[in-house]
Amino acid sequence: NAGVTQTPKFQVLKTGQSMTLQCAQDMNHEYMSWYRQDPGMGLRLIHYSVGAGITDQGEVPNGYNVSRSTTEDFPLRLLSAAPSQTSVYFCASRRDRGHTEAFFGQGTRLTVV
Amino acid sequence: QKEVEQDPGPLSVPEGAIVSLNCTYSNSAFQYFMWYRQYSRKGPELLMYTYSSGNKEDGRFTAQVDKSSKYISLFIRDSQPSDSATYLCAGNSWGKFQFGAGTQVVVTP
Repeated sequence: NAGVTQTPKFQVLKTGQSMTLQCAQDMNHEYMSWYRQDPGMGLRLIHYSVGAGITDQGEVPNGYNVSRSTTEDFPLRLLSAAPSQTSVYFCASRRDRGHTEAFFGQGTRLTVV
Repeated sequence: QKEVEQDPGPLSVPEGAIVSLNCTYSNSAFQYFMWYRQYSRKGPELLMYTYSSGNKEDGRFTAQVDKSSKYISLFIRDSQPSDSATYLCAGNSWGKFQFGAGTQVVVTP
């Protein structure tokens, strides 16, 4: 049972480049979300999805897009990378919105130069 | 103002000591309160959660919530070097989690 799998683990981008962070879960969870973690700021919610075909914005959505075409996958797209998007990104899933236990991936360390 | 405030530490304790971690929060709509543990370069994992005010114990770990003062605590008894990690407190309001910045704990042998 893999849980939540994120790829890549590390990435360096140039300003203005675009990329997609991949997230997949094999627990048949309805609820998936993306967070960024910055020193002193904690985990901040970027986007979330309560089920396939349904997404919504979190606390810091600007510069990011998401889609949820299947229950398993929830990719995060950076449209035009900026140095302010240098961060560690975590994908998380839980059984449904009302559930308290979230399962996190290992994280993607992104540097934008 | 952040909805959940947490001292970043680091908090260094000798093995066997009691670790005491605290958070304050401002959102009165929080229904659940959670503690996540995050090892270096790993994703967070749920340690404990409590609903409303009161205490909850799980082995060496005790979580306390005081809604009247908006205060969340986690105590780790008989601390071990394997407890060295960052501990994140969080509130859950209608499915939306709000995390503190985390407190780094170092347990020295």
